[in-house]
Amino acid sequence: DAKTTQPNSMESNEEEPVHLPCNHSTISGTDYIHWYRQLPSQGPEYVIHGLTSNVNNRMASLAIAEDRKSSTLILHRATLRDAAVYYCILKKETSGSRLTFGEGTQLTVNP
Amino acid sequence: GAVVSQHPSRVICKSGTSVKIECRSLDFQATTMFWYRQFPKQSLMLMATSNEGSKATYEQGVEKDKFLINHASLTLSTLTVTSAHPEDSSFYICSAREHTGHSNQPQHFGDGTRLSIL
Repeated sequence: DAKTTQPNSMESNEEEPVHLPCNHSTISGTDYIHWYRQLPSQGPEYVIHGLTSNVNNRMASLAIAEDRKSSTLILHRATLRDAAVYYCILKKETSGSRLTFGEGTQLTVNP
Repeated sequence: GAVVSQHPSRVICKSGTSVKIECRSLDFQATTMFWYRQFPKQSLMLMATSNEGSKATYEQGVEKDKFLINHASLTLSTLTVTSAHPEDSSFYICSAREHTGHSNQPQHFGDGTRLSIL
């Protein structure tokens, strides 16, 4: 399985944008880029996913590099509730394919 | 949005006890559910994939006789930790994927079960 590389931790200030990077240089053509986040003592929560084009939803935006070897999750205005571990995961477009979690990025949001 | 309910949220029991954890998809059907385990300060590790009406597929190193999985309906999967010991203490999390025919539907996670074996 293609792997992803994320910084161990990042800090942000409340109400400022946050850009969470993810490198996936060995991504294959059938790999979708998924982002999940996990708040303390909770199960992960789906954030966003994409294949080639940039994606926006109510939670975040996903910017995907033209060569697809990296992507960036963008939180437009961080809140204290956004403090979580953010996981960037590659998932193949096959039925039943599973998610393989890496170490993720611990995001700290300062008031 | 899709909701997955996991019960119980916390279990504390004596060594040797068997513990059953339920995972329900409340407003959608899930032919596939996943069971994960997470130790403190570590990431989630997939234990097994549960398929409705068939045997679960276990990841390498996970004992199928110790972690019994039953997925008898499209909305319920159970994980039973048999004869639990202190080393089985962990945070167990289930997830479900909506059966829509689109393989890239997101997974919806339960809030986890914290298991503590004394």
